[in-house]
Amino acid sequence: DQQVKQNSPSLSVQEGRISILNCDYTNSMFDYFLWYKKYPAEGPTFLISISSIKDKNEDGRFTVFLNKSAKHLSLHIVPSQPGDSAVYFCAASSSGTYKYIFGTGTRLKVLA
Amino acid sequence: SQTIHQWPATLVQPVGSPLSLECTVEGTSNPNLYWYRQAAGRGLQLLFYSVGIGQISSEVPQNLSASRPQDRQFILSSKKLLLSDSGFYLCAWSRGASRVGYTFGSGTRLTVV
Repeated sequence: DQQVKQNSPSLSVQEGRISILNCDYTNSMFDYFLWYKKYPAEGPTFLISISSIKDKNEDGRFTVFLNKSAKHLSLHIVPSQPGDSAVYFCAASSSGTYKYIFGTGTRLKVLA
Repeated sequence: SQTIHQWPATLVQPVGSPLSLECTVEGTSNPNLYWYRQAAGRGLQLLFYSVGIGQISSEVPQNLSASRPQDRQFILSSKKLLLSDSGFYLCAWSRGASRVGYTFGSGTRLTVV
């Protein structure tokens, strides 16, 4: 049972435009969410997080939106740059647990 | 500062051979430690996690085992590898039930032939 889903395995965007990566979850106990970025043959690196008490968190070019009623979050990258080309994972956890459940990832390709 | 080391970076092993992947963390004590696997089309799957020496929790039944012989050392093992064990293995650490997520190692690409 995949509790965290990223239904788009890949996405291509022109440089300078907005990239929108989506993530859906099924467990209503999840209350903290992360986005990670992964380059080939490297470990994922933390990008941005959001708590369920918020519906938006912004860090530079990256903004994460959370819609709790829809159990949906999205990562917006504006403007997209070629260096943003990577696989993006969303992850979710619930209070008091040690574990993050990761989605299957979306491969973003930013075209110059 | 904290660092996490994982080795080897790549490994090609025949079916039926044993496996030992090692992960160590520096600059912190009593970290939570995790083993993840990234298989094609499967995202990052949590295999094992440990909240202390000798304490191992397994998330999915499989051909692998984990051990934590020292506070900052986490080992992933198999007695006999299967073709399906191929994948990209990632070690990670966190502070307790941290809400800031994990710091991952650089990963090991395992190919079972």
